Amino acid sequence: DQQVKQNSPSLSVQEGRISILNCDYTNSMFDYFLWYKKYPAEGPTFLISISSIKDKNEDGRFTVFLNKSAKHLSLHIVPSQPGDSAVYFCAASAYGNKLVFGAGTILRVKS
Amino acid sequence: EAGVAQSPRYKIIEKRQSVAFWCNPISGHATLYWYQQILGQGPKLLIQFQNNGVVDDSQLPKDRFSAERLKGVDSTLKIQPAKLEDSAVYLCASSFGLAGVADTQYFGPGTRLTVL
Repeated sequence: DQQVKQNSPSLSVQEGRISILNCDYTNSMFDYFLWYKKYPAEGPTFLISISSIKDKNEDGRFTVFLNKSAKHLSLHIVPSQPGDSAVYFCAASAYGNKLVFGAGTILRVKS
Repeated sequence: EAGVAQSPRYKIIEKRQSVAFWCNPISGHATLYWYQQILGQGPKLLIQFQNNGVVDDSQLPKDRFSAERLKGVDSTLKIQPAKLEDSAVYLCASSFGLAGVADTQYFGPGTRLTVL
């Protein structure tokens, strides 16, 4: 039962353009959502989070959008840089309980 | 601030052998997590500790996996005996907040286990 889905295994974007990574969830009890970035041979690094009481959160080049009615989450990176090339995981939790992760999307930013 | 430390980074064993992983969380973090990440998948929670008590071990295969956090600080995860399907990266994470509070989890570099 995949409660968090990242349907695009990979995404390729030109440097300077916008990267949009998508995530869908099925559990309506999820109230906290996070994005993690992972480089090879390293653990996931926290990027940005959003609570279900908000629909948008920004941190520099990174913005997360939450559409609760569609149960959809997206991460926008503007402008994309080659150093952003990594695997991006979407994760969700309900009432502070365990994080449920998606399978990840490989982002490649071409220079 | 030092991050989450894990050792070893890599381990290769034969099936039916035992193996142990160690994790030292960020100082002051009450909650510690062990995840299993199989290639091509996202991390899956195995066990969650708050201080030295278990909060959630519903997805821990208890016939072969065990974990402890005796003094509420560092933790060990053991597999005995290992199976081929245990080949994965084992990630440790910690968070400042208590269980039941939405909080950011910070991950260590992981231990890559290969079972032959």
